Amino acid sequence: QVQLHGSGPGLLKPSETLSLTCTVSGFSIRLDYYWGWIRQPPGKGLEWIGSVDHTGSTYNNPSLKSRVAISVDTSRNQFSLNLSPVTAADTAVYYCAGGKSVSGTVYWGQGTLVTVSS
Amino acid sequence: EIVLTQSPGTLSLSPGERATLSCRASQSVSSRYLAWYQQRPGLAPRLLIYGTSNRATGIPDRFSGSGSGTDFTLTINRLEPEDFAVYHCQLYDDSAYTFGQGTKLEIK
Repeated sequence: QVQLHGSGPGLLKPSETLSLTCTVSGFSIRLDYYWGWIRQPPGKGLEWIGSVDHTGSTYNNPSLKSRVAISVDTSRNQFSLNLSPVTAADTAVYYCAGGKSVSGTVYWGQGTLVTVSS
Repeated sequence: EIVLTQSPGTLSLSPGERATLSCRASQSVSSRYLAWYQQRPGLAPRLLIYGTSNRATGIPDRFSGSGSGTDFTLTINRLEPEDFAVYHCQLYDDSAYTFGQGTKLEIK
C-alpha cells in the first residue's frame, strides 16, 4: 500500500521559510512518476506549487517560481518543499502528491496545515 | 498559461439524480492530460477520472468523463449521499499542472 506522509512546522511568521518533507512508503520514488506539492487556502481551490520527476528535474508554478525550491532524496524515499519568504497569503493546507501526467495524481498525502501569522 | 474554468460553482441536486459538471479550458488541450478529482470535507482529493474518460481504480461506473478540445464534462449518474463533495478538474500542459476552481455538489 502506497502512503505519503507530509511533515513540517504548522506555524510560521512572515518572511520565514516554509519547509515541508514528504515521506513515501510502499513505492520507490525512483520510478517514473512525478512527486509534487499542491496547496489549498482555507475555503478555496487547489493550486499546484511544483513537482520533481524521477530524474530530479523540477517544474514550478510560474506565479511562485522565484520562491519555490523542490528537491528529492532518493536514499530516504523523500521529497521536500521550501517556500521563502512566506506571507499570510501562503496560509493553506499543503498536500504532497504523486502521479503521472497521463494517469493523474493518484497518490496524496494527508495534508499539512501551515499558518503564517505574526 | 491555460486557465480552467469550472461551472457551475455550486450544483444543488437530490440523491438519485444525475449531475453534470463542466470544465472549460481557455485554449484547446490534449484530452490525454485532463483529470477529475473528488474532495470530501477535511480530506485530500481523490482521483476519479484520468485521460478525460478513464475511471481510476475502485471508482464506481456511475462516474464518467467525456470531452475534447476545450470542453470537458464529469457526469455522475444516480447520485449517492457520499457523492456530495467538491469536484476539481486538472490539466497537465507544458510540464505544469493547473486546476479549475472547483464545483461544489450539494444536497438539495
